[in-house]
Amino acid sequence: DQQVKQNSPSLSVQEGRISILNCDYTNSMFDYFLWYKKYPAEGPTFLISISSIKDKNEDGRFTVFLNKSAKHLSLHIVPSQPGDSAVYFCAARPLYGGATNKLIFGTGTLLAVQP
Amino acid sequence: NAGVTQTPKFQVLKTGQSMTLQCAQDMNHEYMSWYRQDPGMGLRLIHYSVGAGITDQGEVPNGYNVSRSTTEDFPLRLLSAAPSQTSVYFCASSDRGPYEQYFGPGTRLTVT
Repeated sequence: DQQVKQNSPSLSVQEGRISILNCDYTNSMFDYFLWYKKYPAEGPTFLISISSIKDKNEDGRFTVFLNKSAKHLSLHIVPSQPGDSAVYFCAARPLYGGATNKLIFGTGTLLAVQP
Repeated sequence: NAGVTQTPKFQVLKTGQSMTLQCAQDMNHEYMSWYRQDPGMGLRLIHYSVGAGITDQGEVPNGYNVSRSTTEDFPLRLLSAAPSQTSVYFCASSDRGPYEQYFGPGTRLTVT
């Protein structure tokens, strides 16, 4: 059972517009959420994170929003650039015993930013 | 700093063969992990280590062994390769547990 879900396999956005990538989770026992970005034939790279005690974290063009009541996480990229075209993974760290040293990843969303 | 290095980049195995995927990091990170990436499945944790001599299982550990004799190295062993182990394997490390991990470039493994 997928505990971290990215229901949109792909997203296409025009350069300069906002990209919104979504992630839902089914378990309330996560305390930390992260976004990773992956280019083809490379390993993922860490992008931005948020603790469950916050509802927003911003880093330059990237903002992550956390809605705990809806168990929903989103990544906003403003403005989108062609170099942002990549697969984006959300991930969550469980709080429950035995799993606190693990990350659970979503299935990824392929973002294509059109020039 | 070379960061996280993985060898080989590509490998083809026959069913039943064994092999070791190498992973090394030069950042003195205590936490290291192995993931596999399959289409439509995202990244799934195979094994992880919180320090030399300490390893534990992730979500999909069956068919894989790990050991951590030094801080720098975290090899992944396939004991008897199966076609279901065809995947891209990523090694990662961190100085903050499972949080902001640095990933290697990956090893693409095909088992025929």
